Amino acid sequence: DVQVVQSGAEVKKPGESLKISCKGSGYTFIGYWTAWVRQMPGRGLEWMGIIFPSDSNVRYRPSFEGQVTISADKSISTAYLQWSSLKASDTAMYYCARLGAEGGKEALDFWGQGTMVTVSS
Amino acid sequence: EIVLTQSPGTLSLSPGERATLSCRASQSVNSNYLAWYQQIPGQAPRLLIYGASSRATGIPDRFSGSGSGTDFTLTISRLEPEDFAVYHCQHYGSSPLLTFGGGTKVEIK
Repeated sequence: DVQVVQSGAEVKKPGESLKISCKGSGYTFIGYWTAWVRQMPGRGLEWMGIIFPSDSNVRYRPSFEGQVTISADKSISTAYLQWSSLKASDTAMYYCARLGAEGGKEALDFWGQGTMVTVSS
Repeated sequence: EIVLTQSPGTLSLSPGERATLSCRASQSVNSNYLAWYQQIPGQAPRLLIYGASSRATGIPDRFSGSGSGTDFTLTISRLEPEDFAVYHCQHYGSSPLLTFGGGTKVEIK
């Protein structure tokens, strides 16, 4: 069975760094793009960026470029989202999801359970 | 940049009623890349519909999607108690690469 499992909730202070993870199993991890999606409290879904683990090709939404870094370790089928200096405004739920392509029709078909990141002094 | 506008913001209906949710794109999009997701409070989103009208694996047939160009619709033929949730439309393949609508909340009347 396909599974996407994210790392646990984090509580950090402003200025601290953080790296959260997303592990895929039950499918060929390197053959699918993995997306990161932010959901701020009480708000909608916002795409942040996406990585193709086979060659670490990354595309960012312009508003997130320079604010976060997306990477992957294909040897352990895991994608990462990291911050070098967190802000209170980074407080949100972060989801990763596999970009499937059933019949050439791309959609985010398997989602992680989410990682809640709280940034507070 | 493609913008997806969902309406209404909130839909108040009773179990057994029909729900019709709208997703309008700011410019014509390829329907192969239009998807709908359900998000129950406290849970991750779940794929319902891809390619504008294809149901994802395990999705009941009371959920259907339609539309093309700029106007897309998600219809729930008869609302079950577990269907009260937030629904998001999403497009892939343009600038930005992935775009979500603002969501429609379906609440119990």
